[in-house]
Amino acid sequence: AQSVTQLGSHVSVSEGALVLLRCNYSSSVPPYLFWYVQYPNQGLQLLLKYTSAATLVKGINGFEAEFKKSETSFHLTKPSAHMSDAAEYFCAVTGQGGNEKLTFGTGTRLTIIP
Amino acid sequence: DTGVSQDPRHKITKRGQNVTFRCDPISEHNRLYWYRQTLGQGPEFLTYFQNEAQLEKSRLLSDRFSAERPKGSFSTLEIQRTEQGDSAMYLCASSLGIGGQETQYFGPGTRLLVL
Repeated sequence: AQSVTQLGSHVSVSEGALVLLRCNYSSSVPPYLFWYVQYPNQGLQLLLKYTSAATLVKGINGFEAEFKKSETSFHLTKPSAHMSDAAEYFCAVTGQGGNEKLTFGTGTRLTIIP
Repeated sequence: DTGVSQDPRHKITKRGQNVTFRCDPISEHNRLYWYRQTLGQGPEFLTYFQNEAQLEKSRLLSDRFSAERPKGSFSTLEIQRTEQGDSAMYLCASSLGIGGQETQYFGPGTRLLVL
């Protein structure tokens, strides 16, 4: 069984400030982890993914995430927030051995304060 | 590569009616997934296909729901005798290859409102 927990359903940061969105996972098999972004009334777009090649993963739009097995975490960060980053962010997990469906967290809505 | 497309984008129906949604995956993608997203929640897995074979169905997929992928290309999701609880965004995704590490590319979704 796999699950993810996203701490903080709403996060607000000032433009130019650090963005930190938290994700913790639970998996009975080695996990693959994903961050997706969703803009209003749109589908999901992949930001980045961890597939065991490197623990620090860089994605699009300046986002990155670090896989920490000891903490079962995969937090998403961006050094400097931009107004266009305002959206809903979802962490998701799949796994090896046939666990190929995405299991999503409940999402974090990011608001950027001008 | 035109991306995953879904039709219709919006559907309003009355309780008890049947509805059908269509998903066209990225060409050459052998995997196709259906998810459902309700307001304020993350998407939940419904079912997936490898080529034309339906490999897994969620317990969320009651017997009123049926999905097909004839010839391993587009897919349809039908809901019979719709209920108000079926109101949600229905998302389709496709991926190339097999394995949990493959990226799933999502379509824009079909938003269903059951009155």
